[in-house]
Amino acid sequence: DAGVTQSPTHLIKTRGQQVTLRCSPKSGHDTVSWYQQALGQGPQFIFQYYEEEERQRGNFPDRFSGHQFPNYSSELNVNALLLGDSALYLCASSPGSKPEKLFFGSGTQLSVL
Amino acid sequence: AQRVTQPEKLLSVFKGAPVELKCNYSYSGSPELFWYVQYSRQRLQLLLRHISRESIKGFTADLNKGETSFHLKKPFAQEEDSAMYYCALRRPGLTGGGNKLTFGTGTQLKVEL
Repeated sequence: DAGVTQSPTHLIKTRGQQVTLRCSPKSGHDTVSWYQQALGQGPQFIFQYYEEEERQRGNFPDRFSGHQFPNYSSELNVNALLLGDSALYLCASSPGSKPEKLFFGSGTQLSVL
Repeated sequence: AQRVTQPEKLLSVFKGAPVELKCNYSYSGSPELFWYVQYSRQRLQLLLRHISRESIKGFTADLNKGETSFHLKKPFAQEEDSAMYYCALRRPGLTGGGNKLTFGTGTQLKVEL
């Protein structure tokens, strides 16, 4: 089991562009959460998906949206990129809402120029 | 609003010395608290949570509701303990917090020989 797989590992975009990040959860996990980790900061919760619906959302603008597919994989979309969106984006999966079983991926490093 | 504070960005100790990583939280209730660890070039992973009251890799953490603290302790530091440590909080209950964790900014522990 490869655990949580995120793609791409690195991405460079310019302001105003749109980006899509992808996540495949750990085998047996049906819940996917996304976190943003800015340099020198702890991860910040963006949202959580379960049964293809957004279940919980953190304090992020509507520019951040997501999707979960029937195979439990997930996408994070960010529109109208700002310089401040530069960060490491972490995907974490779990079997249901069980934070004690959260399994984090290695992240996608997004740089906005 | 819930908040987690880790006052030290860097903690440097000698091998064999005791370790205490500080974590204070603000939350109007009884939260669930966690410690996560990230070793060099590895993914973020759960170290321990207050509910289980267990010792992992020699680390323990006690929830002090009076002082709203959840400090991580180890009596004798080992070189392999060098890593980034994050304290995190979740609202309790089966559906209350989902996988929405509020993280602190992290403390880099460096164990010197």
